[in-house]
Amino acid sequence: DAKTTQPPSMDCAEGRAANLPCNHSTISGNEYVYWYRQIHSQGPQYIIHGLKNNETNEMASLIITEDRKSSTLILPHATLRDTAVYYCIVRVASDYKLSFGAGTTVTVRA
Amino acid sequence: KAGVTQTPRYLIKTRGQQVTLSCSPISGHRSVSWYQQTPGQGLQFLFEYFSETQRNKGNFPGRFSGRQFSNSRSEMNVSTLELGDSALYLCASSLRGDGNIQYFGAGTRLSVL
Repeated sequence: DAKTTQPPSMDCAEGRAANLPCNHSTISGNEYVYWYRQIHSQGPQYIIHGLKNNETNEMASLIITEDRKSSTLILPHATLRDTAVYYCIVRVASDYKLSFGAGTTVTVRA
Repeated sequence: KAGVTQTPRYLIKTRGQQVTLSCSPISGHRSVSWYQQTPGQGLQFLFEYFSETQRNKGNFPGRFSGRQFSNSRSEMNVSTLELGDSALYLCASSLRGDGNIQYFGAGTRLSVL
């Protein structure tokens, strides 16, 4: 019952910015956008989350459109270690379940 | 600060057996959630425990159960194993209130033969 749509895969050149889109057209006013990634055979790793303002941390930036129907995760300088499946998840902060979709498989190439 | 620790990392069982997996959350985290990941179904929520009580449950049969101890450590049990139970089992802990950000362990890879 994932509420998001992501492209199945994308490639990125090492050192360049990677822009990962996510559509969440049915998002409710109290739902946040969370991003996680999963490197092969490891547990998912939290990246960033936001409600309506753009957010930035040491890993990435999150840009949410004004109507909140879509967002973009930006990895500013992709490295080979950023190769992973990236999941965009929408949920109310008080919801303790994460509903993972298929995510976007990002391959960073040298 | 130590992360979420899951043991064992790998496990091989045969059909009909039962298995117990263990999860130690990040210090101070009282919420522990369990997920199953398979190639066909992806990541699916099993259940969540907080203060030794199961608060949320996913759509899995009663063969899947869990518990949480007073120190917040959690165990997950699967009885009468089936071939389809072969999966990566992931545990996540969180501080309720901190945007409920869940931090995952490396998982236990269970193979049922």
